[in-house]
Amino acid sequence: QVQLVESGGGLVKPGGSLRLSCAASGFTFSDYYMSWIRQAPGKGLEWVSYISSSTIYYADSVKGRFTISRDNAKNSLYLQMNSLRAEDTAVYYCARGASSGWGWFDPWGQGTLVIVSS
Amino acid sequence: SYVLTQPPSVSVAPGQTARIACGGNNIGDKSVHWYQQKPGQAPVLVVYDDTDRASGIPERISGSNSGNTATLTISRVEAGDEADYHCQVWDSSSDHVVFGGGTKLTVL
Repeated sequence: QVQLVESGGGLVKPGGSLRLSCAASGFTFSDYYMSWIRQAPGKGLEWVSYISSSTIYYADSVKGRFTISRDNAKNSLYLQMNSLRAEDTAVYYCARGASSGWGWFDPWGQGTLVIVSS
Repeated sequence: SYVLTQPPSVSVAPGQTARIACGGNNIGDKSVHWYQQKPGQAPVLVVYDDTDRASGIPERISGSNSGNTATLTISRVEAGDEADYHCQVWDSSSDHVVFGGGTKLTVL
């Protein structure tokens, strides 16, 4: 079955860096757009970044600090997070997008928690 | 930037119909997607492209979209429907994904 498993979350000091990974299985990874979406404690969902085979988009709140990438040979999605701030504290979800077009997300991984605190 | 507005909470008795609104400027011109999120769990897609039910979603859950409001309707509400519901669109003018603030559905 289609599965997404995130890893790499943890506690990091403000200004620090962290790299999240998402391992995909059960589908042809290279055929799909992929995204990172986060949820701060007790808050709603916030889109972070989206990647197709050739195009990348970022939310304004992370542009210039976060970098999304994918390795189709390894069926993996990544999020390099630099210059982390307290407001980046959240559960980060990896989600599969559509096979074409910027549509819905299905499925989502279980999430990995990032805490930015001194 | 494009904004989606949802009521923070909706309450309904078992067996009744819940309607969760998602407001946005001319949202009827966009494709709206809905997610259900239960406590401690990841979101699950329930409706995509305004009206299409995701795999495994019961027929009593439906979506509509017109004018400035999209609506998720849950008929014959059950205790198991209690969750947060989030609407989402793609805003082509900014090349951004936009989520509503989420609505907590409480089954009385």
